[in-house]
Amino acid sequence: NAGVTQTPKFQVLKTGQSMTLQCAQDMNHEYMSWYRQDPGMGLRLIHYSVGAGITDQGEVPNGYNVSRSTTEDFPLRLLSAAPSQTSVYFCASSRGAGGYNEQFFGPGTRLTVL
Amino acid sequence: RKEVEQDPGPFNVPEGATVAFNCTYSNSASQSFFWYRQDCRKEPKLLMSVYSSGNEDGRFTAQLNRASQYISLLIRDSKLSDSATYLCVVNGNTGFQKLVFGTGTRLLVSP
Repeated sequence: NAGVTQTPKFQVLKTGQSMTLQCAQDMNHEYMSWYRQDPGMGLRLIHYSVGAGITDQGEVPNGYNVSRSTTEDFPLRLLSAAPSQTSVYFCASSRGAGGYNEQFFGPGTRLTVL
Repeated sequence: RKEVEQDPGPFNVPEGATVAFNCTYSNSASQSFFWYRQDCRKEPKLLMSVYSSGNEDGRFTAQLNRASQYISLLIRDSKLSDSATYLCVVNGNTGFQKLVFGTGTRLLVSP
């Protein structure tokens, strides 16, 4: 199993550009989520999904959209990139919810917005 | 006050030393607790869950103190490979996994 995969690994955008960060998992996990990690801030939840067709906002959702058309894929869209969105983005999946289950993280996408 | 607070370190220890980290949390309703390990420029990975009675996994021991709202991680006989950042993670209320991540404690083990 590949686990959780993310593409691209690195990306540089100009302010105002849009892009999609891809995330896929092959563990048949129902729960998937997107986090961003910034220095001194810890990981913060952007959006999450409890199953195909169901998504909800996390702690810092502004400027991001998600969709979950399949169990495997959970892309994150940046609508109009801003320098404040410069960060490392991690996608994660888990077998169950409620905070009792191990989170499996992808390798991350390092995004720079100029 | 942050929901989860950790000393950022770094903790510099020689190989073979014992080192302990603490993490405090503010939500008394928190139900589950974890330690994740994150290597430089890598993704976090689960190190161990923390149970009410305390638990041990090899050289690693985790403890929970609900009364004082902190969890601890003890590493015995430190190895060079233990050098990493250790993230304290706490589950909030019920519903989706409202996990709150600490900013991490950096450990550097030297020869």
